[in-house]
Amino acid sequence: ETGVTQTPRHLVMGMTNKKSLKCEQHLGHNAMYWYKQSAKKPLELMFVYSLEERVENNSVPSRFSPECPNSSHLFLHLHTLQPEDSALYLCASSQDRALRRYFGPGTRLTVL
Amino acid sequence: TQLLEQSPQFLSIQEGENLTVYCNSSSVFSSLQWYRQEPGEGPVLLVTVVTGGEVKKLKRLTFQFGDARKDSSLHITAAQPGDTGLYLCAGLDSSYKLIFGSGTRLLVRP
Repeated sequence: ETGVTQTPRHLVMGMTNKKSLKCEQHLGHNAMYWYKQSAKKPLELMFVYSLEERVENNSVPSRFSPECPNSSHLFLHLHTLQPEDSALYLCASSQDRALRRYFGPGTRLTVL
Repeated sequence: TQLLEQSPQFLSIQEGENLTVYCNSSSVFSSLQWYRQEPGEGPVLLVTVVTGGEVKKLKRLTFQFGDARKDSSLHITAAQPGDTGLYLCAGLDSSYKLIFGSGTRLLVRP
């Protein structure tokens, strides 16, 4: 238990569906992140929120839409995804952006 | 584009053997983190090295940061099945971006 929870753990969706991934951290951290982990690529940073403000967006397609309503919660809204978006989506938090990341267990997403 | 190359990509060894995993880059990092990820879980930090030439030990694991802070290595002595997992190095750059390596998947057979 790292103090970062993610739901759902597994998600199968069609290309026309809309779904959301949820992340919650119980560590009192100031920064939260979304990462994508695919089979053949290194962990890719998607979004960074620091004190609830988005500070980084790494050229992620607009079909992925993040939301950070407060410092403990982070969402990733998904719509009209492609099969190549199938991956493990990891949420992480850190006290400061220069410090270690605490990762959640991830959501395994499959897009049909 | 900053890249961290890890080698080998896959390693399957017998319990009791030693191994070394390498993490190399042409970029300088302010610090280097090593994580281990087990199936169905997110990566968990093993160690952070900060100073060029620094060596840190964690039981049977020895981590070294290169003098120029561009590369790192992880050496495991007398590997055990519990060491099985995906090992990831990650370098922190000057803009606080954490760049992850491609990973080394280790299998230790009993």
